[in-house]
Amino acid sequence: AQKVTQAQTEISVVEKEDVTLDCVYETRDTTYYLFWYKQPPSGELVFLIRRNSFDEQNEISGRYSWNFQKSTSSFNFTITASQVVDSAVYFCALSDSKAAGNKLTFGGGTRVLVKP
Amino acid sequence: SQTIHQWPATLVQPVGSPLSLECTVEGTSNPNLYWYRQAAGRGLQLLFYSVGIGQISSEVPQNLSASRPQDRQFILSSKKLLLSDSGFYLCAWSERYSSIGANVLTFGAGSRLTVL
Repeated sequence: AQKVTQAQTEISVVEKEDVTLDCVYETRDTTYYLFWYKQPPSGELVFLIRRNSFDEQNEISGRYSWNFQKSTSSFNFTITASQVVDSAVYFCALSDSKAAGNKLTFGGGTRVLVKP
Repeated sequence: SQTIHQWPATLVQPVGSPLSLECTVEGTSNPNLYWYRQAAGRGLQLLFYSVGIGQISSEVPQNLSASRPQDRQFILSSKKLLLSDSGFYLCAWSERYSSIGANVLTFGAGSRLTVL
């Protein structure tokens, strides 16, 4: 069975600090996809990134970066120079190539609070 | 462009009353459709998904049911609500015909249900 663990339930930082969100996953499949979503206070989930299991290259998008380590089954997310607008709940999610209906399994989420 | 609409946004219902949450998608055909629930302070749990009209798969046994009467319409229902049905309900859609597991889910704004 698939499982996604986000051990940090809440992180509080001061603006301009960096923050790293951990994500550890479990799957028996060799082909799978990892996702990060952001849930701002409004509630709607916003897609941030998708990564497939064959691409371990790290990715950077503006102040966001992702570190995929297949050897440790981790897909960590770093926000550099955090801003108040980054305050949200962040979810890591997993799907595999056999998932009928392309279902996503989500982690429990990490709430990030950025203080001015 | 594709849009997803979900209503009502907020609902307060007494225990034992019926429920109907509606979700529609515009700008696409034959989407996969999903209902997720987010209990207070917790992660996202997949309730139902559908790969076509009249095709509903249930992920967890519960007091809820889902229907897909039209290609781009997905309805979440209950005949008698329980206190434990309170939560934030999110509808989502994804493209059906692409690499299995790779589909990005796009979420609606959510419906917050409080059962008293």
